[in-house]
Amino acid sequence: GQQLNQSPQSMFIQEGEDVSMNCTSSSIFNTWLWYKQDPGEGPVLLIALYKAGELTSNGRLTAQFGITRKDSFLNISASIPSDVGIYFCAGQVSGTYKYIFGTGTRLKVLA
Amino acid sequence: KAGVTQTPRYLIKTRGQQVTLSCSPISGHRSVSWYQQTPGQGLQFLFEYFSETQRNKGNFPGRFSGRQFSNSRSEMNVSTLELGDSALYLCASSLGAGRYGYTFGSGTRLTVV
Repeated sequence: GQQLNQSPQSMFIQEGEDVSMNCTSSSIFNTWLWYKQDPGEGPVLLIALYKAGELTSNGRLTAQFGITRKDSFLNISASIPSDVGIYFCAGQVSGTYKYIFGTGTRLKVLA
Repeated sequence: KAGVTQTPRYLIKTRGQQVTLSCSPISGHRSVSWYQQTPGQGLQFLFEYFSETQRNKGNFPGRFSGRQFSNSRSEMNVSTLELGDSALYLCASSLGAGRYGYTFGSGTRLTVV
């Protein structure tokens, strides 16, 4: 099936460090979403982006909708242990109600 | 406000059987989407319903089907189960076209033996 390229696949970081991850696609998307998934649970929406160039923050999280509409970035500042989990990006395929999900970035925070 | 409720949480079925999973969306949400999540393939879109109509379908075989009722509750059915159907099945609901993001349920973990 279709998927977005999300990187890195996984990362170990020290508590207090900043984290960056991104998603790229060959397709243009109308909306970008960022989700976090904890073990055994469904993904939880963190940030939604609706137009190219948009920069949106949610607490320590900041995400940007790429100018080309083919990529998006998520930054987490001053990471804490509860940031552990899998982060997914999702793009809404233009002209449809369908979202394609990235392959996920598994984040592990070392205290 | 209750979230998205999926039942059952866990299910074990035998190859060749069929299974029905249920999803109750957030009150007022009319769009329901289903996803299959596996370690190897990640989150794969199955289908999306709005006001009892299927608006989009992913690239899954016809063994996978769904429906939505007038109260927006949705079910998905998998017939003639295969070992590869073992996965976490996630349902997500949204107010309208999903532009404002979907709220996911906790999923149904299906194991086919």
